[in-house]
Amino acid sequence: KAGVTQTPRYLIKTRGQQVTLSCSPISGHRSVSWYQQTPGQGLQFLFEYFSETQRNKGNFPGRFSGRQFSNSRSEMNVSTLELGDSALYLCASSRTGGFLGTEAFFGQGTRLTVV
Amino acid sequence: SQELEQSPQSLIVQEGKNLTINCTSSKTLYGLYWYKQKYGEGLIFLMMLQKGGEEKSHEKITAKLDEKKQQSSLHITASQPSHAGIYLCGAHNNAGNMLTFGGGTRLMVKP
Repeated sequence: KAGVTQTPRYLIKTRGQQVTLSCSPISGHRSVSWYQQTPGQGLQFLFEYFSETQRNKGNFPGRFSGRQFSNSRSEMNVSTLELGDSALYLCASSRTGGFLGTEAFFGQGTRLTVV
Repeated sequence: SQELEQSPQSLIVQEGKNLTINCTSSKTLYGLYWYKQKYGEGLIFLMMLQKGGEEKSHEKITAKLDEKKQQSSLHITASQPSHAGIYLCGAHNNAGNMLTFGGGTRLMVKP
């Protein structure tokens, strides 16, 4: 059974550009959530999607957005990139809506470097 | 908002020694996850605990949840170099649609 797949694994972008990251959850999982990990702030929640609906959003500026498709794959977009957006972006998938009573599995992450 | 504090922040142990990592929540725990991360990589799921007093084991790793103390502990028996990494605890909110993570415990195991 395939795990959570994130693409690309590495990305280098210039300030001001935009970027789109992709996450394919485990087959049968309908909830996808995104996290940003930095040395200074640790792991921080970005947003969670279930059945194409955003159910929760973390405390990030509007430059960060996401969406989920009917096949549960999810994308997150960051517009007008800033140096501080350099981070490891992780997505997690779980079977039912959210995490209650269900195991949540993470992908390998996308390492974004903004120069 | 919920905060999770992990202790210790880092740990160096000799191979074969036992160790314990703690995770304390500032609010009621609805569910507690333990993950392991190698530097720069994704999180590897270890265990999920939901009920007070629950204890789970996987190979040489045991985790317990103390709901009253709002605390969980992760115990590794007879540590090996393969146990090295960053251990993270995460707790979900009461809606179950987000995880809050502790700062992590960096474990090094000396051969």
